[in-house]
Amino acid sequence: AQTVTQSQPEMSVQEAETVTLSCTYDTSESDYYLFWYKQPPSRQMILVIRQEAYKQQNATENRFSVNFQKAAKSFSLKISDSQLGDAAMYFCALFRGTYKYIFGTGTRLKVLA
Amino acid sequence: NAGVTQTPKFQVLKTGQSMTLQCAQDMNHNSMYWYRQDPGMGLRLIYYSASEGTTDKGEVPNGYNVSRLNKREFSLRLESAAPSQTSVYFCASRSRLTSYEQYFGPGTRLTVT
Repeated sequence: AQTVTQSQPEMSVQEAETVTLSCTYDTSESDYYLFWYKQPPSRQMILVIRQEAYKQQNATENRFSVNFQKAAKSFSLKISDSQLGDAAMYFCALFRGTYKYIFGTGTRLKVLA
Repeated sequence: NAGVTQTPKFQVLKTGQSMTLQCAQDMNHNSMYWYRQDPGMGLRLIYYSASEGTTDKGEVPNGYNVSRLNKREFSLRLESAAPSQTSVYFCASRSRLTSYEQYFGPGTRLTVT
């Protein structure tokens, strides 16, 4: 069975500092996609970053980057220069080429001024 | 370009009442999804539709029915609402052209008393 685990229910970071959110997953497939979604208080789900499993290079989107360790089945999200607007729930998700996505339970990020 | 729209945004039902949540997307996506989000449980798939005319059960389908009316619209029906169905419901559609990214609607907060 496929699973996605986010072991940190809540994290805090000082404004302008760096924080890393953890995600581990389990799948027997070799080809799949991983995503980080952000859910601010508005409730809207927003894609932060995606990673194709066949790509060895870690994805980067401005202040957001991932550390993708395929052998360890780990997919962590690093947020640099944290801003107040980064405060949100963050969900890790796995898609392996069928129609179903598996989501983790989320990490609530608080940004302290 | 409206993306994914959902109606209503909020709804309160009494136990046993029925209602239909509406979802529409204007991005010409083939696949559409209904999720529910409960505290501490992430997003769980209720039903999905791989293409117009097909629907399949997800992780938590009991108590729900769906209709893929056409390529744009995918509705979720609660025939006899129960307090356990109190949740936030999200509709999503999927692009195959942007590495399988899902696009989400704004969500519906449903309370069953």
